[in-house]
Amino acid sequence: DVKVTQSSRYLVKRTGEKVFLECVQDMDHENMFWYRQDPGLGLRLIYFSYDVKMKEKGDIPEGYSVSREKKERFSLILESASTNQTSMYLCASSSGTGIGRGGGYTFGSGTRLTVV
Amino acid sequence: GENVEQHPSTLSVQEGDSAVIKCTYSDSASNYFPWYKQELGKRPQLIIDIRSNVGEKKDQRIAVTLNKTAKHFSLHITETQPEDSAVYFCAAYYNAGNMLTFGGGTRLMVKP
Repeated sequence: DVKVTQSSRYLVKRTGEKVFLECVQDMDHENMFWYRQDPGLGLRLIYFSYDVKMKEKGDIPEGYSVSREKKERFSLILESASTNQTSMYLCASSSGTGIGRGGGYTFGSGTRLTVV
Repeated sequence: GENVEQHPSTLSVQEGDSAVIKCTYSDSASNYFPWYKQELGKRPQLIIDIRSNVGEKKDQRIAVTLNKTAKHFSLHITETQPEDSAVYFCAAYYNAGNMLTFGGGTRLMVKP
């Protein structure tokens, strides 16, 4: 009963490539988030979206962009991949009215991206 | 914005002992505090949460306590087992941002 699906579990890309990480949720959630997870640094927010075609920068947006053309899909784009973007990327979603009343985030399984 | 600090960053206990992880938050308006467990290679999953109108909540071997005055909350795991080994994240709901702010995580190792 997977509810947040990230298209790739492992990905290896070359420096300078344009990289797309896809996230799809089937819970009709309004809010979607992209985090990167690095050892000792916890979860750092890259971008988030509260609605279709809406996006907001998180704490570390440099080198990334996002796209949300449909409610269920939130894509993270690395315009020109660099080695310092090697990381685990986690997508999450939540109901627009859920947080504070229950539920919290549902996370995807993550994409481990290696840039060589 | 909200700031959540989590301690310790690593915790090693013997099987059967208790483990306590503590978090502090800065926004006094925060009203929802979930805890996530992330096993190696897996997604973070919600294990317990607490709202600001409750001081303590328990679910079998895990419990969470909240002190609103001091702005801190804690996760307590009793009778730890090797399968409790994981990274645990606390979080606080940041009202103004309509999102969770996460602590830095605690790697718990339970030694058999």
